Amino acid sequence: ETGVTQSPTHLIKTRGQQVTLRCSSQSGHNTVSWYQQALGQGPQFIFQYYREEENGRGNFPPRFSGLQFPNYSSELNVNALELDDSALYLCASSFDGGRADTQYFGPGTRLTVL
Amino acid sequence: AQSVTQPDIHITVSEGASLELRCNYSYGATPYLFWYVQSPGQGLQLLLKYFSGDTLVQGIKGFEAEFKRSQSSFNLRKPSVHWSDAAEYFCAVDVQGAQKLVFGQGTRLTINP
Repeated sequence: ETGVTQSPTHLIKTRGQQVTLRCSSQSGHNTVSWYQQALGQGPQFIFQYYREEENGRGNFPPRFSGLQFPNYSSELNVNALELDDSALYLCASSFDGGRADTQYFGPGTRLTVL
Repeated sequence: AQSVTQPDIHITVSEGASLELRCNYSYGATPYLFWYVQSPGQGLQLLLKYFSGDTLVQGIKGFEAEFKRSQSSFNLRKPSVHWSDAAEYFCAVDVQGAQKLVFGQGTRLTINP
């Protein structure tokens, strides 16, 4: 059984650019949640995808968007990057979003915006 | 709004000593509670969780946590720490059981040899 994987590991972008981060969920999981972890902070919930539909969103602007594919992998897209978007982006997979269950986290993508 | 407070930003303990990390939450109903650990540059690993039932929960690596409704707390404990326990520890609440976690700020644990 493979765990949650994310790519790339590290990424450097400049302000105003766009970025796409990828996440492969754990085998058997149909829900992916994305979190942003700024340096020295706890993760903050961005949004969740359940069976290819957005299933809840945190307090993030619309330039943060996502997709979930039929194989339940997911992408996080951020447009018009700002310096404050520099963070570790974590994805977590689970089964059946919308009910209490354990989320399993990937290693994260470290995004630096210059 | 729901919130999680970890009052201790940084704790240092000696190897072999006992450990308690504090976590308080603000949420009206019975919460779903988690403790995760994060090593430098890594993702989050689940230590233990509380959904219902016995308020003393056992986790991996010898950790346990106790849910106290009257104090809105879910403190993490370990009777004897090892150098490999040095890491960042996060308490989290699952709001409404919808897998949308609210995390505390984290407690960084340093182990003295």
